[in-house]
Amino acid sequence: KAGVTQTPRYLIKTRGQQVTLSCSPISGHRSVSWYQQTPGQGLQFLFEYFSETQRNKGNFPGRFSGRQFSNSRSEMNVSTLELGDSALYLCASSLAGTGFYEQYFGPGTRLTVT
Amino acid sequence: GIQVEQSPPDLILQEGANSTLRCNFSDSVNNLQWFHQNPWGQLINLFYIPSGTKQNGRLSATTVATERYSLLYISSSQTTDSGVYFCAVLSNFGNEKLTFGTGTRLTIIP
Repeated sequence: KAGVTQTPRYLIKTRGQQVTLSCSPISGHRSVSWYQQTPGQGLQFLFEYFSETQRNKGNFPGRFSGRQFSNSRSEMNVSTLELGDSALYLCASSLAGTGFYEQYFGPGTRLTVT
Repeated sequence: GIQVEQSPPDLILQEGANSTLRCNFSDSVNNLQWFHQNPWGQLINLFYIPSGTKQNGRLSATTVATERYSLLYISSSQTTDSGVYFCAVLSNFGNEKLTFGTGTRLTIIP
């Protein structure tokens, strides 16, 4: 069974631009969560989607948004990029309805904002 | 929100040594997971262990939920065990979000 895939793997953007990251969960998994990892703040929860609905949200500004499609694939979007948005963005999928039971992570998208 | 502390922050061991990593949390939890992040950034799920003990090869984990801590044991360390180990918890109260500890960076020297 294929694992969680994320595209692109690396991205360089300029301040003020916007970016869209994609995540395809493990087949059969309906929950997708997104995390931001930085050296200063560690791993922080962004949001979780289940059956195309945002079920939980972390403490990030409205510039960070996401969505989930009917095939469970998910995208996250960051608008008006800031230097501090440079990070490794990880998505994870989960089988169970609670969303967080045994999370399986993708390889991540490393975003650099210049 | 819930606080998650991991110790030690850094650990350097010779190949073949054993190690114990600790995760303390400030509130009762219904979900606790251990992850290994390899040098390329990939997070691997090691254990889902809200309570009790589990073993998988050279790795084992124990969570004592009533005392709010979990331990990860690594025996006969190999260089491939190097990386950062995270525990993550979901509190019984408050917002439903997985909170990660700051991690333990393990370096295994050949």
